Amino acid sequence: VQLVESGGGLVKPGGSLRLSCAASGFTFSNAWMSWVRQAPGKGLEWVGRIKSKTDGGTTDYAAPVKGRFTISRDDSKNTLYLQMNSLRSEDTAVYYCAKDRATGTFSPPDSWGQGTLVTVSS
Amino acid sequence: EIVLTQSPGTLSLSPGERATLSCRASQSISSSHLAWHQQKPGQAPRLLIHGASSRAAGVPDRFSGSGSGTDFALTISRLEPEDFAVYYCQHYGGSFVLSFGGGTRVEIK
Repeated sequence: VQLVESGGGLVKPGGSLRLSCAASGFTFSNAWMSWVRQAPGKGLEWVGRIKSKTDGGTTDYAAPVKGRFTISRDDSKNTLYLQMNSLRSEDTAVYYCAKDRATGTFSPPDSWGQGTLVTVSS
Repeated sequence: EIVLTQSPGTLSLSPGERATLSCRASQSISSSHLAWHQQKPGQAPRLLIHGASSRAAGVPDRFSGSGSGTDFALTISRLEPEDFAVYYCQHYGGSFVLSFGGGTRVEIK
């Protein structure tokens, strides 16, 4: 399993950024995928999840990002996305893409990318 | 949303000693939906335990998880040098919102 995030960088407050996560080594279309972030020197914070299309393809989000962030997937490209709008300084973090352990049911992430840093600052 | 509180914040131990980390949930949760992750500096997290007590693939048997209801624990029977890291518990089911505990740092005494 390999997960490679990209798209991080410096963005001004109120701006937008789209992160990508290229997946390989497993059947991406069957996987439930998550985004987890970690502010500098802080703990892990779950951002959101997208189910496989077979399981409805629905998304769930943590309260701090709901309405601002959107998770999507392109199974033809084996790629996961995180569209981040109306960014705030408190969104500054390393963003990890993760594959959930099981399909078709709630499970924890068992494979993680290396993370991409998003810095929100003027 | 279920809040997970981990204690202690930092555990100072020597290699070979036993470590017991606690994770308390704000309300009763299914033990099927409790996981533990390990994170070393500069690295992504690694899944250790799922379903409160099932070791993930490749995890040494010195790691064990236990608990039910609101109280869960991760035990490392004999600390190896590579076990000094930060450990997070995670609730991942029963509701649509997932949550992590604040973490316990296991440091070399």
